[in-house]
Amino acid sequence: TQLLEQSPQFLSIQEGENLTVYCNSSSVFSSLQWYRQEPGEGPVLLVTVVTGGEVKKLKRLTFQFGDARKDSSLHITAAQTGDTGLYLCAGGGGADGLTFGKGTHLIIQP
Amino acid sequence: DTGVSQDPRHKITKRGQNVTFRCDPISEHNRLYWYRQTLGQGPEFLTYFQNEAQLEKSRLLSDRFSAERPKGSFSTLEIQRTEQGDSAMYLCASSLSGGEGAIYGYTFGSGTRLTVV
Repeated sequence: TQLLEQSPQFLSIQEGENLTVYCNSSSVFSSLQWYRQEPGEGPVLLVTVVTGGEVKKLKRLTFQFGDARKDSSLHITAAQTGDTGLYLCAGGGGADGLTFGKGTHLIIQP
Repeated sequence: DTGVSQDPRHKITKRGQNVTFRCDPISEHNRLYWYRQTLGQGPEFLTYFQNEAQLEKSRLLSDRFSAERPKGSFSTLEIQRTEQGDSAMYLCASSLSGGEGAIYGYTFGSGTRLTVV
Protein backbone atom coordinates (compact mmCIF):
# COMPACT_ATOMS: atom_id res chain seq x y z
CA THR A 1 0.00 0.00 0.00
CA GLN A 2 1.33 3.40 -0.96
CA LEU A 3 1.04 5.90 1.90
CA LEU A 4 1.02 9.67 1.65
CA GLU A 5 1.90 11.78 4.67
CA GLN A 6 0.87 15.39 4.76
CA SER A 7 2.27 18.11 6.97
CA PRO A 8 1.43 20.13 8.83
CA GLN A 9 -1.88 18.60 9.84
CA PHE A 10 -3.26 22.00 10.88
CA LEU A 11 -2.16 25.49 9.93
CA SER A 12 -3.69 28.81 10.93
CA ILE A 13 -2.17 32.02 9.58
CA GLN A 14 -3.11 35.64 8.96
CA GLU A 15 -4.40 36.87 5.65
CA GLY A 16 -1.54 38.08 3.44
CA GLU A 17 1.05 35.63 4.76
CA ASN A 18 2.73 32.93 2.69
CA LEU A 19 2.64 29.22 3.50
CA THR A 20 3.85 25.85 2.27
CA VAL A 21 2.32 22.44 2.91
CA TYR A 22 3.95 19.13 2.12
CA CYS A 23 3.05 15.69 0.87
CA ASN A 24 5.61 12.91 1.32
CA SER A 25 5.84 9.22 0.57
CA SER A 26 8.43 6.46 0.55
CA SER A 27 6.91 5.25 -2.73
CA VAL A 28 7.34 6.59 -6.24
CA PHE A 29 4.19 7.89 -7.87
CA SER A 30 3.61 8.26 -11.58
CA SER A 31 1.57 11.37 -10.77
CA LEU A 32 0.27 13.28 -7.78
CA GLN A 33 -2.85 15.35 -7.49
CA TRP A 34 -3.87 18.11 -5.13
CA TYR A 35 -7.47 18.64 -4.10
CA ARG A 36 -9.18 21.25 -1.97
CA GLN A 37 -12.22 20.35 0.09
CA GLU A 38 -14.64 22.66 1.85
CA PRO A 39 -16.83 21.48 4.76
CA GLY A 40 -19.76 19.39 3.64
CA GLU A 41 -18.54 19.13 0.05
CA GLY A 42 -16.48 16.69 -1.99
CA PRO A 43 -12.83 17.35 -2.90
CA VAL A 44 -12.20 19.49 -5.98
CA LEU A 45 -9.14 18.88 -8.15
CA LEU A 46 -6.62 21.74 -8.19
CA VAL A 47 -3.75 20.28 -10.21
CA THR A 48 -2.01 17.11 -11.38
CA VAL A 49 1.80 16.90 -11.48
CA VAL A 50 3.38 14.21 -13.59
CA THR A 51 7.04 14.89 -14.31
CA GLY A 52 9.73 14.82 -11.61
CA GLY A 53 10.79 18.38 -10.78
CA GLU A 54 7.67 19.82 -12.41
CA VAL A 55 6.35 23.16 -11.15
CA LYS A 56 2.81 24.30 -11.88
CA LYS A 57 1.26 27.62 -10.98
CA LEU A 58 -2.40 28.33 -10.44
CA LYS A 59 -2.71 32.04 -9.66
CA ARG A 60 -1.26 32.38 -6.13
CA LEU A 61 -0.75 28.62 -5.73
CA THR A 62 2.51 26.95 -6.77
CA PHE A 63 2.76 23.17 -6.88
CA GLN A 64 6.01 21.26 -7.13
CA PHE A 65 6.65 17.58 -7.74
CA GLY A 66 9.90 16.23 -6.29
CA ASP A 67 12.66 15.09 -8.62
CA ALA A 68 12.26 11.49 -7.40
CA ARG A 69 8.44 11.70 -7.69
CA LYS A 70 8.01 10.76 -4.02
CA ASP A 71 6.97 14.13 -2.67
CA SER A 72 5.16 17.32 -3.54
CA SER A 73 4.59 20.73 -2.05
CA LEU A 74 1.96 23.42 -2.32
CA HIS A 75 2.97 27.02 -1.73
CA ILE A 76 0.36 29.77 -1.34
CA THR A 77 1.44 33.38 -1.71
CA ALA A 78 -0.46 36.18 0.04
CA ALA A 79 -3.11 33.87 1.50
CA GLN A 80 -6.72 35.00 1.43
CA THR A 81 -9.65 33.94 3.63
CA GLY A 82 -11.10 32.13 0.61
CA ASP A 83 -8.12 29.76 0.68
CA THR A 84 -9.44 28.22 3.90
CA GLY A 85 -10.11 24.51 3.50
CA LEU A 86 -8.73 20.99 3.65
CA TYR A 87 -5.90 20.43 1.17
CA LEU A 88 -5.46 16.82 0.13
CA CYS A 89 -2.75 15.21 -1.93
CA ALA A 90 -3.48 11.97 -3.75
CA GLY A 91 -1.50 9.51 -5.81
CA GLY A 92 -1.85 6.24 -7.59
CA GLY A 93 -5.05 5.99 -9.55
CA GLY A 94 -4.35 2.56 -10.92
CA ALA A 95 -6.10 -0.64 -9.94
CA ASP A 96 -6.63 0.43 -6.32
CA GLY A 97 -7.91 3.90 -7.07
CA LEU A 98 -6.37 7.07 -5.73
CA THR A 99 -4.72 6.99 -2.31
CA PHE A 100 -5.27 10.15 -0.30
CA GLY A 101 -3.26 11.68 2.47
CA LYS A 102 -5.04 12.82 5.62
CA GLY A 103 -4.86 16.41 4.50
CA THR A 104 -3.78 19.79 5.83
CA HIS A 105 -6.50 21.83 7.49
CA LEU A 106 -5.77 25.43 6.52
CA ILE A 107 -7.43 28.41 8.21
CA ILE A 108 -6.73 31.91 6.99
CA GLN A 109 -7.64 34.51 9.61
CA PRO A 110 -8.86 37.91 8.39
CA ASP B 1 -23.45 17.48 -17.72
CA THR B 2 -23.93 18.75 -14.20
CA GLY B 3 -21.14 16.74 -12.59
CA VAL B 4 -21.42 13.90 -10.11
CA SER B 5 -24.68 13.80 -8.17
CA GLN B 6 -25.26 11.99 -4.91
CA ASP B 7 -28.51 11.35 -3.14
CA PRO B 8 -29.44 11.85 -0.37
CA ARG B 9 -27.12 14.57 0.96
CA HIS B 10 -27.86 13.60 4.54
CA LYS B 11 -29.20 10.44 6.12
CA ILE B 12 -29.92 9.76 9.77
CA THR B 13 -30.76 6.18 10.60
CA LYS B 14 -31.14 4.00 13.65
CA ARG B 15 -28.56 1.34 14.36
CA GLY B 16 -29.51 -1.92 12.69
CA GLN B 17 -31.41 -0.36 9.79
CA ASN B 18 -30.39 -0.70 6.15
CA VAL B 19 -29.54 2.35 4.05
CA THR B 20 -28.92 2.84 0.33
CA PHE B 21 -27.15 5.72 -1.38
CA ARG B 22 -27.19 6.61 -5.05
CA CYS B 23 -24.51 8.14 -7.26
CA ASP B 24 -24.93 9.47 -10.80
CA PRO B 25 -21.51 9.97 -12.41
CA ILE B 26 -20.46 12.13 -15.34
CA SER B 27 -21.83 10.33 -18.35
CA GLU B 28 -18.54 10.19 -20.28
CA HIS B 29 -16.69 8.63 -17.35
CA ASN B 30 -16.53 4.85 -17.31
CA ARG B 31 -14.96 4.54 -13.86
CA LEU B 32 -16.93 5.11 -10.67
CA TYR B 33 -15.48 5.07 -7.17
CA TRP B 34 -16.85 4.99 -3.64
CA TYR B 35 -14.86 6.51 -0.80
CA ARG B 36 -15.56 6.97 2.89
CA GLN B 37 -14.36 9.98 4.85
CA THR B 38 -14.52 10.41 8.60
CA LEU B 39 -14.08 13.72 10.37
CA GLY B 40 -10.60 15.13 10.04
CA GLN B 41 -9.37 12.37 7.72
CA GLY B 42 -8.76 12.03 4.03
CA PRO B 43 -11.06 9.91 1.88
CA GLU B 44 -10.53 6.13 2.14
CA PHE B 45 -11.06 3.95 -0.89
CA LEU B 46 -13.94 1.45 -0.69
CA THR B 47 -14.53 0.11 -4.19
CA TYR B 48 -14.61 1.00 -7.86
CA PHE B 49 -16.31 0.01 -11.08
CA GLN B 50 -15.14 -0.01 -14.66
CA ASN B 51 -18.43 0.25 -16.52
CA GLU B 52 -20.67 -2.32 -14.77
CA ALA B 53 -17.85 -4.51 -13.46
CA GLN B 54 -16.73 -4.13 -9.85
CA LEU B 55 -12.96 -4.46 -10.16
CA GLU B 56 -11.59 -3.79 -6.71
CA LYS B 57 -12.85 -3.80 -3.15
CA SER B 58 -11.04 -2.54 -0.08
CA ARG B 59 -10.87 -4.64 3.06
CA LEU B 60 -12.77 -1.72 4.64
CA LEU B 61 -15.79 -2.98 2.71
CA SER B 62 -17.23 -5.55 5.14
CA ASP B 63 -19.87 -8.05 4.08
CA ARG B 64 -22.53 -5.61 5.30
CA PHE B 65 -21.61 -3.31 2.41
CA SER B 66 -22.60 -3.96 -1.18
CA ALA B 67 -22.25 -1.79 -4.25
CA GLU B 68 -23.76 -2.17 -7.68
CA ARG B 69 -23.60 -0.42 -11.00
CA PRO B 70 -26.14 -2.42 -12.97
CA LYS B 71 -25.99 -0.76 -16.38
CA GLY B 72 -22.66 0.96 -16.12
CA SER B 73 -24.32 4.27 -15.37
CA PHE B 74 -25.53 5.12 -11.84
CA SER B 75 -24.35 3.19 -8.80
CA THR B 76 -25.83 2.31 -5.42
CA LEU B 77 -24.06 1.61 -2.15
CA GLU B 78 -26.06 -0.31 0.44
CA ILE B 79 -25.14 -0.77 4.07
CA GLN B 80 -27.03 -3.46 5.93
CA ARG B 81 -27.48 -3.60 9.70
CA THR B 82 -25.85 -0.21 10.18
CA GLU B 83 -23.53 0.37 13.13
CA GLN B 84 -22.48 3.63 14.79
CA GLY B 85 -19.01 3.15 13.31
CA ASP B 86 -20.53 3.47 9.85
CA SER B 87 -21.21 7.16 10.50
CA ALA B 88 -19.18 9.06 7.91
CA MET B 89 -19.34 10.97 4.65
CA TYR B 90 -19.70 8.61 1.71
CA LEU B 91 -18.20 10.12 -1.42
CA CYS B 92 -18.69 9.02 -4.98
CA ALA B 93 -16.32 10.01 -7.77
CA SER B 94 -16.01 9.30 -11.45
CA SER B 95 -13.15 9.47 -13.90
CA LEU B 96 -11.89 8.43 -17.28
CA SER B 97 -10.22 5.06 -17.11
CA GLY B 98 -6.64 4.12 -16.30
CA GLY B 99 -3.88 6.56 -17.02
CA GLU B 100 -6.26 9.24 -18.16
CA GLY B 101 -7.97 9.15 -14.79
CA ALA B 102 -4.64 9.60 -13.06
CA ILE B 103 -3.90 12.63 -15.24
CA TYR B 104 -7.27 14.34 -15.36
CA GLY B 105 -8.28 13.46 -11.85
CA TYR B 106 -11.48 12.41 -10.24
CA THR B 107 -14.67 14.43 -10.12
CA PHE B 108 -16.30 14.01 -6.74
CA GLY B 109 -19.91 14.42 -5.75
CA SER B 110 -20.90 16.40 -2.67
CA GLY B 111 -21.25 13.21 -0.66
CA THR B 112 -23.86 11.62 1.56
CA ARG B 113 -23.44 12.33 5.25
CA LEU B 114 -24.58 9.27 7.20
CA THR B 115 -25.32 9.47 10.90
CA VAL B 116 -26.18 6.25 12.73
CA VAL B 117 -27.87 6.83 16.09
